[in-house]
Amino acid sequence: DAGVIQSPRHEVTEMGQEVTLRCKPISGHDYLFWYRQTMMRGLELLIYFNNNVPIDDSGMPEDRFSAKMPNASFSTLKIQPSEPRDSAVYFCASSFPGSGNTIYFGEGSWLTVV
Amino acid sequence: GEDVEQSLFLSVREGDSSVINCTYTDSSSTYLYWYKQEPGAGLQLLTYIFSNMDMKQDQRLTVLLNKKDKHLSLRIADTQTGDSAIYFCAESGESSGSARQLTFGSGTQLTVLP
Repeated sequence: DAGVIQSPRHEVTEMGQEVTLRCKPISGHDYLFWYRQTMMRGLELLIYFNNNVPIDDSGMPEDRFSAKMPNASFSTLKIQPSEPRDSAVYFCASSFPGSGNTIYFGEGSWLTVV
Repeated sequence: GEDVEQSLFLSVREGDSSVINCTYTDSSSTYLYWYKQEPGAGLQLLTYIFSNMDMKQDQRLTVLLNKKDKHLSLRIADTQTGDSAIYFCAESGESSGSARQLTFGSGTQLTVLP
């Protein structure tokens, strides 16, 4: 299996621009998670979906952040407008209805907002 | 909310054993996990243990769980320079709102000295 695929791997953008991060979960996985990692705050869960439906978005920092999952194989995390404090690594992860509730992570999207 | 705590740094000599410790507060934890993150990469699942087990061994890795004290440890035998990474402890349980949500510790930076 190809694993969780994220794009772009790296993005540098100017403050105020819109940023769209993309994720393809592992086929057959029914949960999808978006995490943010920073030095100051560690790993934070932003939002997660079950069968394409958002279940908990309480970790989304502000209205500037939105996430969608139009089908089982694709999700986006959008930041509009972006700010320098949004600079972080954004991870997408997915899990399947098997043993261990194991979550598999993508390689991350490294975002820098200048 | 629930909390997972780890020490931030650990240094060991190549060939020695490493022991990374973790404490958690959620008494309803069902699974506990160890993830490894190498520089510039995502989190890679190393192993997990079900809460009704007290030990799990997988090649050089030994996980010990003391459920009474809510203490989890990861022992790496014959530590190699390639083991240098950040190691995250995580737990899932009903208190997280969903058995599929994980609460992560802050990570322990393991440095293996030649």
